[in-house]
Amino acid sequence: TQLLEQSPQFLSIQEGENLTVYCNSSSVFSSLQWYRQEPGEGPVLLVTVVTGGEVKKLKRLTFQFGDARKDSSLHITAAQPGDTGLYLCAGAFREGGSEKLVFGKGTKLTVNP
Amino acid sequence: KAGVTQTPRYLIKTRGQQVTLSCSPISGHRSVSWYQQTPGQGLQFLFEYFSETQRNKGNFPGRFSGRQFSNSRSEMNVSTLELGDSALYLCASSYRISISGANVLTFGAGSRLTVL
Repeated sequence: TQLLEQSPQFLSIQEGENLTVYCNSSSVFSSLQWYRQEPGEGPVLLVTVVTGGEVKKLKRLTFQFGDARKDSSLHITAAQPGDTGLYLCAGAFREGGSEKLVFGKGTKLTVNP
Repeated sequence: KAGVTQTPRYLIKTRGQQVTLSCSPISGHRSVSWYQQTPGQGLQFLFEYFSETQRNKGNFPGRFSGRQFSNSRSEMNVSTLELGDSALYLCASSYRISISGANVLTFGAGSRLTVL
């Protein structure tokens, strides 16, 4: 069974601070996606990383895929209240001839003004 | 273009009842996936439909079922509701069936089901 562990589960910081969220597994994934979900809404895709060691930047957000494609991290620089939300990682893998997606339980981030 | 539309947004049912949730995907998207989201378990995959056929199924009991129509709209049904079925049910659409690095899931806002 493919599992993704996200840490920390909850994170409350002040505006302007930096933070890193982790997504770890003992399994290898063909790609990994990060989503952000705001209250009352569905998850919205932020980025997809495909290659081991890949780093992608989206404004103040930096995403990294581990060399072995088993883990990923999301780093936010100078967090803003608008970054508040539930951050979910999702790993894609092939099983039984079809491709599937498994989600971590998420990191709930609160950025206080 | 319009996003993924889920109806109803909120509903309250009692144990033993059944419920049907609806999802209208983005125009042109032929794949619809359903997920259950709870605080304790996170997002769990229910099933995926592509061109009216169920292509993938998660580890949920047979009380959970779904279907997809020729216009790609999808419904899911939960029969004999239990308290543990209380959750946010999310629908996601995509153009392609496979979950690959290039595939993008667009989620709806969800249907929040409360079972009393």
